[in-house]
Amino acid sequence: AQSVTQLGSHVSVSEGALVLLRCNYSSSVPPYLFWYVQYPNQGLQLLLKYTSAATLVKGINGFEAEFKKSETSFHLTKPSAHMSDAAEYFCAVSDPYGNNRLAFGKGNQVVVIP
Amino acid sequence: NAGVTQTPKFRVLKTGQSMTLLCAQDMNHEYMYWYRQDPGMGLRLIHYSVGEGTTAKGEVPDGYNVSRLKKQNFLLGLESAAPSQTSVYFCASSTELEGTDTQYFGPGTRLTVL
Repeated sequence: AQSVTQLGSHVSVSEGALVLLRCNYSSSVPPYLFWYVQYPNQGLQLLLKYTSAATLVKGINGFEAEFKKSETSFHLTKPSAHMSDAAEYFCAVSDPYGNNRLAFGKGNQVVVIP
Repeated sequence: NAGVTQTPKFRVLKTGQSMTLLCAQDMNHEYMYWYRQDPGMGLRLIHYSVGEGTTAKGEVPDGYNVSRLKKQNFLLGLESAAPSQTSVYFCASSTELEGTDTQYFGPGTRLTVL
């Protein structure tokens, strides 16, 4: 079964500093990987996704993630944090043969310090 | 387009009461999903549907039932609510593309069971 691991439930970052959120996956087949963001009191929205094309994926709001098969990782980065990046971020893996079901990580709550 | 909508937004139940959560999407998506979100647990799949008239169990289906009588609607029922079902419930939908498609989420329903 597919699964993802996100370490560190709360992440604090200074405004203007690098945002780095780590995601490691476990999958028995080539995975499709996603990062979703959840702003307070809202549903989730897609930041970016990897579907076996380019390994460096660019998303919305200046975020990007790199798929590294050798490290089974899909870490999310943004060069310079903005106050509006304060939100919860979820990594998810999809089973390509499993009806588009997603397995989510436990999430990272990002706090941006002025 | 309204996207994915959920009703109600908030609900408080007493133990043993029943209720139905309604999810509606206007994107003509084949696949629909119900998740629950609990602190530190990420999102967990309750039930899902791959088309009108079909439903299937997800990761945590016990205590819930679902129906998909119309393509645009996906209902989640709690027959006898328990305090352990206090959670935020999210509905999502996607097209039929296997594994690669974005799931679109509703704004959530916050349920408290006393």
